[in-house]
Amino acid sequence: QSALTQPASVSGSPGQSITISCTGTSSDVGGYKYVSWYQQHPGKAPKLMIYDVSNRPSGVSNRFSGSKSGNTASLTISGLQAEDEADYYCNSHTSSSTVIFGGGTKLTVL
Amino acid sequence: EVQLVESGGGLVQPGGSLRLSCAASGFTFSSYWMHWVRQVPGKGLVWVSRINPDGSSTFYADSVKGRFTISRDNARSTLYLQMNSLRAEDTAVYYCVRDLIAADSSYWGQGTLVTVSS
Repeated sequence: QSALTQPASVSGSPGQSITISCTGTSSDVGGYKYVSWYQQHPGKAPKLMIYDVSNRPSGVSNRFSGSKSGNTASLTISGLQAEDEADYYCNSHTSSSTVIFGGGTKLTVL
Repeated sequence: EVQLVESGGGLVQPGGSLRLSCAASGFTFSSYWMHWVRQVPGKGLVWVSRINPDGSSTFYADSVKGRFTISRDNARSTLYLQMNSLRAEDTAVYYCVRDLIAADSSYWGQGTLVTVSS
């Protein structure tokens, strides 16, 4: 099964908003509410930022938000800060009861 | 405090075998689905396998199906990944994960590096 499709890179200036897309199929992203987003800084373990499409775990800034339309989920980061520079990954439950990740997106804060 | 500590990684020749372990503490291990996720250094995250709380149900990525076996010992609070017929493309850091999906928190180990090379 191929990875979910994410842009390889996105960038934005401090204070701006950016959106990262995550495109799958009706057998994964489009078929379930179980889409999560992870942030990973170099050399660190991934950190959960969004679960179940649009929910924020306790302690995650409200600058991070998630949504879904059809087979595409999106992560929006508003009020960009230097510390947001990291790699971001989406994942989804699938119809085969497996989990699939996106290829990852490198966010650069200019 | 939830802790996941992987071990068992190392250098192995193509076609060889390796068993990874993940020692869990700080939570009721027998109540949670557990996952293995791998990452080639500098590349993306790839889901490998998952197992239900009592060990009766397992799922695998197509790339490892038939070669890898996930298991658990709830009495020892330990998760395992038996890896057979290893290939160069299995080289990666392997993470043990609790609550990878459909949960409001997620816990990852520090990872253990597996290198498949002659």
